[in-house]
Amino acid sequence: SQKIEQNSEALNIQEGKTATLTCNYTNYSPAYLQWYRQDPGRGPVFLLLIRENEKEKRKERLKVTFDTTLKQSLFHITASQPADSATYLCALDTGGFKTIFGAGTRLFVKA
Amino acid sequence: DAGVIQSPRHEVTEMGQEVTLRCKPISGHDYLFWYRQTMMRGLELLIYFNNNVPIDDSGMPEDRFSAKMPNASFSTLKIQPSEPRDSAVYFCASSSALFEKAFWDYGYTFGSGTRLTVV
Repeated sequence: SQKIEQNSEALNIQEGKTATLTCNYTNYSPAYLQWYRQDPGRGPVFLLLIRENEKEKRKERLKVTFDTTLKQSLFHITASQPADSATYLCALDTGGFKTIFGAGTRLFVKA
Repeated sequence: DAGVIQSPRHEVTEMGQEVTLRCKPISGHDYLFWYRQTMMRGLELLIYFNNNVPIDDSGMPEDRFSAKMPNASFSTLKIQPSEPRDSAVYFCASSSALFEKAFWDYGYTFGSGTRLTVV
């Protein structure tokens, strides 16, 4: 069955550094992959979507890469800030709109 | 637009009671999704609609769960009878059609969720 793996341990980094989160998947070839941010008590918020024919996508301080050979996506936050502290979810499609989500990685940015 | 609106925000009910969760999607979105989130299983897709028609309900855990979308601006998820293992946060989300630019740019828009506790 389709499986998504994200760093289960929390990521702690210092303000100003680049945070890198990993999403690995198996047993499928998604046409696109998404990243969401979730704060406690809130719903996920869309950040970026990258398609299988795109190697990299950027939005302000965010950058996503998508390696379909390695079956991996990397999510980078440059010049991180304490306000970036949240849980980040990777999501991939399994056909049409049947999107499955990873368990998420908690990011803590210390001032 | 006020975003995806869900009600209630919190629901506490006794085992065996009927529970109805409500959702108002973003106007103009063709797709509506119901997800459930728990610590153990993360976010799980329960069912989704396209133009008010249920497309895939394979994620609905049991016959106790049912969902309807009587019009483009309203959907319900009903659990009858409720059980303690149904306790979770239930999210509604909506989106534009797949392969439209709006979907590539904005993905899914989630509501704030309904935290359901069945005692």
